[in-house]
Amino acid sequence: QVQLVESGGGVVQPGRSLRLSCAASGFTFSNCGVYCGIHWVRQAPGKGLEWVALISGGGEKRHYADSVKGRFTVSRDSSNNTLFLHMSRLRPEDTAVYYCAKTPGDSLVFLQFWGQGTVVTVSS
Amino acid sequence: SYVLTQSPSVSVAPGRTARMTCGGNNIGRKSVHWYQQKPGQAPLLVIYFDRDRPSGIPERFSGSNSGNTATLTISRVEAGDEADYVCQVWDDTSDHWVFGGGTRLTVL
Repeated sequence: QVQLVESGGGVVQPGRSLRLSCAASGFTFSNCGVYCGIHWVRQAPGKGLEWVALISGGGEKRHYADSVKGRFTVSRDSSNNTLFLHMSRLRPEDTAVYYCAKTPGDSLVFLQFWGQGTVVTVSS
Repeated sequence: SYVLTQSPSVSVAPGRTARMTCGGNNIGRKSVHWYQQKPGQAPLLVIYFDRDRPSGIPERFSGSNSGNTATLTISRVEAGDEADYVCQVWDDTSDHWVFGGGTRLTVL
């Protein structure tokens, strides 16, 4: 079955960079089609869910929330079936639990399977 | 950007029906998806495309969407349903995915 495991979180100083990983199993991301995607969603302490970014199965579609555009990028390593969220110029307001979530194979519009999240703390 | 509005909290006695709304401009023209999130856990999809249930989600969970309001209804509420419920849409004009602020369901 589909399993997503995030890693790479930690404490980082403002202005620095961090790379999060999302290890996928139960499916092959590079083969799952243009309507298969991995979203990144974050949740600041005590706050609601905030969509961060999407990458589609073939990498054709990459979209970003306005709050992270120009600072965060999504990528994939097909050989390891792993997705990445590269975060740069981090700010204290980027502190959150970061989840990766997979869409169903035929639509990008909702998030069917979720990982357990990794915690990012941006603080000096 | 598209905005989804949810009431912060709803309380209901066990066995009764809970209704949680998600407001948005002409939301009836969009597909709405609902997630359940319990403390310390990842979100769980409970309704997609307004009214469809993933496998494993009880029939007590149902959804509707019309006009400017989408609704998640939980019938015969149980203590285990206590959680935050969050609505979500895809905004096709911006290619952004939007979440509501969430409604905390308290079972009395």
